[in-house]
Amino acid sequence: DQQVKQNSPSLSVQEGRISILNCDYTNSMFDYFLWYKKYPAEGPTFLISISSIKDKNEDGRFTVFLNKSAKHLSLHIVPSQPGDSAVYFCAAKSFNTGNQFYFGTGTSLTVIP
Amino acid sequence: SQTIHQWPATLVQPVGSPLSLECTVEGTSNPNLYWYRQAAGRGLQLLFYSVGIGQISSEVPQNLSASRPQDRQFILSSKKLLLSDSGFYLCAWSVRRDHYGYTFGSGTRLTVV
Repeated sequence: DQQVKQNSPSLSVQEGRISILNCDYTNSMFDYFLWYKKYPAEGPTFLISISSIKDKNEDGRFTVFLNKSAKHLSLHIVPSQPGDSAVYFCAAKSFNTGNQFYFGTGTSLTVIP
Repeated sequence: SQTIHQWPATLVQPVGSPLSLECTVEGTSNPNLYWYRQAAGRGLQLLFYSVGIGQISSEVPQNLSASRPQDRQFILSSKKLLLSDSGFYLCAWSVRRDHYGYTFGSGTRLTVV
């Protein structure tokens, strides 16, 4: 059962515009969320996180929004750059899963120069 | 600083052959260790995790196994590979109760032919 879902497998955005990547989850007990970025043939790297006590976290060009009532998470990248082209995974955990994160299926972002 | 090493980077194995992938972590003690697989067109699937030496939890029934002979060493094995075992295998570690998720290794691309 996929508890974390990324329904858009791919996204193309023009350089300089906003990229919005979406993530939905089913487990209302999830209390911590992460976004990872993955280049081909490399391991994912941590990008940004948000706790369920917040609804927004910002780090430079990256902002994560959390809508708990909708069980929806989104990552905004502004402005998008060609180097942002990668696969983005969202991940979530709850206090009763210890440190075990559940990952989405990923969205492949292509930023067109 | 902490580092994670995973090898080999790529591997081509015939069906029915054995498999051994190794992962080691440096610069930390008592890490949680994980094996993930990213199959073509799919997200990150947790295969095994370990909270200590000799302690292995399996998430998905399969013909793979994992072992943790030392605190910072995690091994993924198979006695007989199947075509469906092809994928990108990722080792990861985390500090227990750490909110910053996992640090991933660089991955192993396994192709079973």
